[in-house]
Amino acid sequence: SAVISQKPSRDICQRGTSLTIQCQVDSQVTMMFWYRQQPGQSLTLIATANQGSEATYESGFVIDKFPISRPNLTFSTLTVSNMSPEDSSIYLCSVEDPGTSSYNEQFFGPGTRLTVL
Amino acid sequence: GENVEQHPSTLSVQEGDSAVIKCTYSDSASNYFPWYKQELGKRPQLIIDIRSNVGEKKDQRIAVTLNKTAKHFSLHITETQPEDSAVYFCAAGSLHGLNFGKGTSLLVTP
Repeated sequence: SAVISQKPSRDICQRGTSLTIQCQVDSQVTMMFWYRQQPGQSLTLIATANQGSEATYESGFVIDKFPISRPNLTFSTLTVSNMSPEDSSIYLCSVEDPGTSSYNEQFFGPGTRLTVL
Repeated sequence: GENVEQHPSTLSVQEGDSAVIKCTYSDSASNYFPWYKQELGKRPQLIIDIRSNVGEKKDQRIAVTLNKTAKHFSLHITETQPEDSAVYFCAAGSLHGLNFGKGTSLLVTP
């Protein structure tokens, strides 16, 4: 499966600031996704990021708060804007494995642990 | 939107026993049902999945069953080992993107 890396692995930020998280894949993938996992909780899909088009956001998530870039088939960024303590979470990117003949198998990056003070 | 319910939230079994985790989903358009294992501080790892054209799938000690009519699917782990201890998440999806259950914390005691 694809090798996925994220930067930073963790960060501590002040409220009101913004953080951009990078996701890098070692192969070209069509579909990339961003999820949030709050401490001790499940994963929640934030948005789907396709190269060459606007990201598609899930209910409860908006572009102004979580702008996403997808400049090419191996890279994406998620920005958490105007942060508050409620944004403290692990943010994970995932990709659909290009090796599968059909859709859906998703593999996750290592995550970015964000703490907002 | 899709709503995935997962039970139980915690499960404790003795080594060698079987463990069963059950999930239900609401959206009949969902046709892909993966299971992830997440160890503490690690990323979720895909362990098995099933698509809607299949009723059962097995991989060594792990099996998944799907009942599309009832909209439920289950994970079965046989001959459990202490290293099976982790949080397990079910998920349901259609074209793209997954909706996850709340997770089951499995503890296998020696």
